[in-house]
Amino acid sequence: KAGVTQTPRYLIKTRGQQVTLSCSPISGHRSVSWYQQTPGQGLQFLFEYFSETQRNKGNFPGRFSGRQFSNSRSEMNVSTLELGDSALYLCASSRDSAGEQYFGPGTRLTVT
Amino acid sequence: QKEVEQDPGPLSVPEGAIVSLNCTYSNSAFQYFMWYRQYSRKGPELLMYTYSSGNKEDGRFTAQVDKSSKYISLFIRDSQPSDSATYLCRLYSGGGADGLTFGKGTHLIIQP
Repeated sequence: KAGVTQTPRYLIKTRGQQVTLSCSPISGHRSVSWYQQTPGQGLQFLFEYFSETQRNKGNFPGRFSGRQFSNSRSEMNVSTLELGDSALYLCASSRDSAGEQYFGPGTRLTVT
Repeated sequence: QKEVEQDPGPLSVPEGAIVSLNCTYSNSAFQYFMWYRQYSRKGPELLMYTYSSGNKEDGRFTAQVDKSSKYISLFIRDSQPSDSATYLCRLYSGGGADGLTFGKGTHLIIQP
């Protein structure tokens, strides 16, 4: 069974640009959550999508948004990038709740 | 008071030693307790998933939950250099991704 995949794996952007990250969950998983991981703050929850609807949202500014498609694939968008957005962005999927989640390898975003 | 406390380490032990990793928490609503292992520049990997109090064993790993003390542990027997990684605890109350919290992780080093 294929695991969670994320593309791209690495990304370098400049301040002010926008970026879109993609996540394909494990087959049969309908919940997709996104996290930001930095050395100082650890893993921070961004949002969760379930059956194309945003079910939960963390404490991040509106520059961070996402969506989920009918095949459960999800995208995350960050607009007007700031230096502080440099981080590892992780996607996790689960069957029907945010309990037993499986993570992808992450997208490492560097903002210069 | 933070919801979850986890010593960041680094924790350095010789190969073959028994390792004890711990998290303490304050919210009694947490019912599901997980441990993840994260290698450098990779996504977290689910190691153990337990519900409520008690012990769960899987190979060299044992997860222990004491809800009365709000204390969870992960024990690693016969530790190997390949166990060197960051270990994160994850606590979940149920009902969606906003009911979960990650510890910041303990960096474990197994010396050959």
